[in-house]
Amino acid sequence: AQTVTQSQPEMSVQEAETVTLSCTYDTSESDYYLFWYKQPPSRQMILVIRQEAYKQQNATENRFSVNFQKAAKSFSLKISDSQLGDAAMYFCAGSNQGGKLIFGQGTELSVKP
Amino acid sequence: DTGVSQNPRHKITKRGQNVTFRCDPISEHNRLYWYRQTLGQGPEFLTYFQNEAQLEKSRLLSDRFSAERPKGSFSTLEIQRTEQGDSAMYLCASGPWSTTGFYEQYFGPGTRLTVT
Repeated sequence: AQTVTQSQPEMSVQEAETVTLSCTYDTSESDYYLFWYKQPPSRQMILVIRQEAYKQQNATENRFSVNFQKAAKSFSLKISDSQLGDAAMYFCAGSNQGGKLIFGQGTELSVKP
Repeated sequence: DTGVSQNPRHKITKRGQNVTFRCDPISEHNRLYWYRQTLGQGPEFLTYFQNEAQLEKSRLLSDRFSAERPKGSFSTLEIQRTEQGDSAMYLCASGPWSTTGFYEQYFGPGTRLTVT
């Protein structure tokens, strides 16, 4: 079984500052993928960034980067230079070879101007 | 390519009625997934298809729920004898075939079901 846990229900960041969202996961699979999804108030889920578990290098997509600590089963998302448009619910998710996503409970990020 | 579409966007029904939702995936995506999301929670996996074959169903998918993808294109999710606990957002996602084991999923806007 696979579990994904987000322990921060809400986070807040000042515009232009950096914020880190936490996620831990547990799986018995040796091959899996981890994702961060963003769900704005309009509720359409958007993929922010993904990480293949076999890759040691942390993924980066523009202002978004992850800190993947395999031994600690930690997968955090760092948002640099936060923008007002980053305000949303962020979900950490994992999947195995089958492709179905297991989501965490979400972290609601607010960005203060 | 207009993305994943779902209809209707909102559905209000009375307890005990049957409802059916439709999902149109991105063309040529052979994988299609259904998830359910209740307020304040992350989406929960319900089922997925590869072409017309339903490959996995969650235990959440009771016998009142049935999903089909008859020609490997659009999919329908039917809930019979709806209960108030079925009130949720039903999300559909589609994705292309992958040889790497990584299946990217593109989500639709969802269908919000309210059972009164």
